Amino acid sequence: DAGVIQSPRHEVTEMGQEVTLRCKPISGHDYLFWYRQTMMRGLELLIYFNNNVPIDDSGMPEDRFSAKMPNASFSTLKIQPSEPRDSAVYFCASSIYTTGRTEAFFGQGTRLTVV
Amino acid sequence: GDSVTQMEGPVTLSEEACLTINCTYTATGYPSLFWYVQYPGEGLQLLLKATKADDKGSNKGFEATYRKETTSFHLEKGSVQVSDSAVYFCALRASGSARQLTFGSGTQLTVLP
Repeated sequence: DAGVIQSPRHEVTEMGQEVTLRCKPISGHDYLFWYRQTMMRGLELLIYFNNNVPIDDSGMPEDRFSAKMPNASFSTLKIQPSEPRDSAVYFCASSIYTTGRTEAFFGQGTRLTVV
Repeated sequence: GDSVTQMEGPVTLSEEACLTINCTYTATGYPSLFWYVQYPGEGLQLLLKATKADDKGSNKGFEATYRKETTSFHLEKGSVQVSDSAVYFCALRASGSARQLTFGSGTQLTVLP
């Protein structure tokens, strides 16, 4: 399997613009997570899905952030409008919950810079 | 709520030195515990895990033992290599129906030749 695939790897955008980050989870995994990594806050869970349904979005910082999972093989994280403080590395991860296999597999991340 | 506390870095060692990165946690019940490693410009990779008390996870010469009595999961390696230079994250998954991971702040390790 190719692992979790995220795109783009790098995104530079101007303040106020809409940004969409994309994620393809590992085939067969039924959980998908979006994390944000910054120097100040470390790794923060933004939202996670189970079988395409959002389970916990309490980590989404504000209404400017939204996430969707229209099918089992694709998810998006959208920021509209973007602000400089949104600059971070955004990771997508997926997992399948079975006995003895509870770890999450991470993509390579999208480095977002808002100027 | 659940939390993970790691020793702060950065940690700089010479090649072949011994490594210990401390990790303690706060959680109810019996969480699963993990160490992830992040190499520069990469995503997080699972290094090792333990799912119950007294379990020892090991991989690539790294070890960590799940200590319920001290709520700890310290990462150890007897002889580090330059290629071990990375950021190491301790994480937990709460017991029960929770599926998300809670991470520590990460510890930057640099190994000098």
